[in-house]
Amino acid sequence: GAVVSQHPSWVICKSGTSVKIECRSLDFQATTMFWYRQFPKQSLMLMATSNEGSKATYEQGVEKDKFLINHASLTLSTLTVTSAHPEDSSFYICSATRQGGTEAFFGQGTRLTVV
Amino acid sequence: RKEVEQDPGPFNVPEGATVAFNCTYSNSASQSFFWYRQDCRKEPKLLMSVYSSGNEDGRFTAQLNRASQYISLLIRDSKLSDSATYLCVVNPGSSASKIIFGSGTRLSIRP
Repeated sequence: GAVVSQHPSWVICKSGTSVKIECRSLDFQATTMFWYRQFPKQSLMLMATSNEGSKATYEQGVEKDKFLINHASLTLSTLTVTSAHPEDSSFYICSATRQGGTEAFFGQGTRLTVV
Repeated sequence: RKEVEQDPGPFNVPEGATVAFNCTYSNSASQSFFWYRQDCRKEPKLLMSVYSSGNEDGRFTAQLNRASQYISLLIRDSKLSDSATYLCVVNPGSSASKIIFGSGTRLSIRP
């Protein structure tokens, strides 16, 4: 299967700082990547759809100014959590699909803890 | 009504038992269906795709019922290693424009 690499796998940051999470498709080009957030014992919640070369599409209730998404190339999308607060502590996961494909390949996830 | 609904469980069954999960979806035009497995604190991983004719992979059988808009997953001869959360995934379009996840069904296999 295709490989999607997400970095970092975990991060602890102080409240008020910003954190950048990278999602890379290693062996295929991903025109679309997805960013999810998962709280403990809950399912994945789609935050936004990241489109290469254009603005991301955010789900209802997700603040685009707080969760900045950049998809500058066909193999890299980044999610920046700006001015992080403890309530932003969560498991963030990205996924990508091959062009024309339907199967989603997931990154390993990033566990963010804001203290 | 949620776009994809699953029984959250937990299902707690003895090793060797057969267990089945159902998942319903609201968009009748949905094209692709999958079951993913997620272990605690890990990313989801594809377990199997679900085809219209039904498909089997070892101890796992997936079925699709378009008329009733549900998919199912059957696990036979369950193993301790089957303990995980099983996510029903629906792709409404022909490409992965917006994959929709169910809330997941937690399965725990006891010795």
